Amino acid sequence: GEDVEQSLFLSVREGDSSVINCTYTDSSSTYLYWYKQEPGAGLQLLTYIFSNMDMKQDQRLTVLLNKKDKHLSLRIADTQTGDSAIYFCAEDKGYSTLTFGKGTMLLVSP
Amino acid sequence: GAGVSQSPSNKVTEKGKDVELRCDPISGHTALYWYRQRLGQGLEFLIYFQGNSAPDKSGLPSDRFSAERTGESVSTLTIQRTQQEDSAVYLCASSVGLAGNEQFFGPGTRLTVL
Repeated sequence: GEDVEQSLFLSVREGDSSVINCTYTDSSSTYLYWYKQEPGAGLQLLTYIFSNMDMKQDQRLTVLLNKKDKHLSLRIADTQTGDSAIYFCAEDKGYSTLTFGKGTMLLVSP
Repeated sequence: GAGVSQSPSNKVTEKGKDVELRCDPISGHTALYWYRQRLGQGLEFLIYFQGNSAPDKSGLPSDRFSAERTGESVSTLTIQRTQQEDSAVYLCASSVGLAGNEQFFGPGTRLTVL
């Protein structure tokens, strides 16, 4: 497809794991990113993965990459109410600009 | 400051007026980007500056949109004869300029065209 695709909404209970999925467009993208946007704030880079990796773990965050299917996921373990935000998947097609998905709103309830 | 700053944070204007949005990147960052985020949409790339190279304007949606950058510092995004569909949050980001480097985003300017 032409667009980076993400589900629009995910709701979880505090303490559960959250998994946010993304399908990107270009199999030659070198870097894939997850950004977090809290209300009224700019985007913050959460983590990124280089295309020759299958998995990257960073504290509560686990990124899985399936290059064959152009599928990227972000798992947040032990989700907290402070994790409530919009999460954007982005790919770097090598032109130094990023192509973003529309974002997944994560709502964490107590 | 330590981060990317943008001004104003909010701008309300009437259809047909021109607006200017400002971005102050992180000092030393040679690359600067403008994106647009419409309500419920993902980010759209608008324009990219890298050092003294000619900017990549491929994302500008019409000739009403233009941007300038003074050296490796401040950038202004100008929208002439604003239309209601220009209403969005305009985000600026900067990076050290190499492919794959983290882009640091400002808080954005929310533009509302009445």
